[in-house]
Amino acid sequence: KQEVTQIPAALSVPEGENLVLNCSFTDSAIYNLQWFRQDPGKGLTSLLLIQSSQREQTSGRLNASLDKSSGRSTLYIAASQPGDSATYLCAVSSSGNTPLVFGKGTRLSVIA
Amino acid sequence: KAGVTQTPRYLIKTRGQQVTLSCSPISGHRSVSWYQQTPGQGLQFLFEYFSETQRNKGNFPGRFSGRQFSNSRSEMNVSTLELGDSALYLCASSSQDSSGETQYFGPGTRLLVL
Repeated sequence: KQEVTQIPAALSVPEGENLVLNCSFTDSAIYNLQWFRQDPGKGLTSLLLIQSSQREQTSGRLNASLDKSSGRSTLYIAASQPGDSATYLCAVSSSGNTPLVFGKGTRLSVIA
Repeated sequence: KAGVTQTPRYLIKTRGQQVTLSCSPISGHRSVSWYQQTPGQGLQFLFEYFSETQRNKGNFPGRFSGRQFSNSRSEMNVSTLELGDSALYLCASSSQDSSGETQYFGPGTRLLVL
């Protein structure tokens, strides 16, 4: 059974700092991995999707990497801003047409 | 394109009652997935519908059920509510494959069971 872990559970950084969020999964035979953002009381917004054949994806200040063999992904946020404050969730799919398995997220606070 | 919409946004029920939640996917999307989010368990998959057929089901009791209509709109029903059913219920849509491509989430329905 696939399990996804995100460490740390919470993180507080000053504005402008570069930071890395971590995600690990127990079964390396994944189909893809996605990073989402959730603002308090809101739904999820997809940030990046990495297919199993890819090593990384970039969107603006965000860069996500995938290392299937070690069962890890990282989300790198450059030059953090207070607007980046949210909970970041990692989710993996083990094969096509199977549901996403989510980690419990990392709650990020960027202090101005 | 309008995003995923969910109604109602907030709901208060008492134990033993039943509830129906609705989800309208993005126009053209045929896959709708439902998730339950609680502080303790995080996001857990309930079920997925594709073209009116349940394609996947999570590990929830039979009190949780769903359906999808020909216009891809989906409803989920919870019968005999328990206190532990209090949660944020999220639905997500995608055009074909719930795992192979980006899922778009709605704002959720927050259910409080008293």
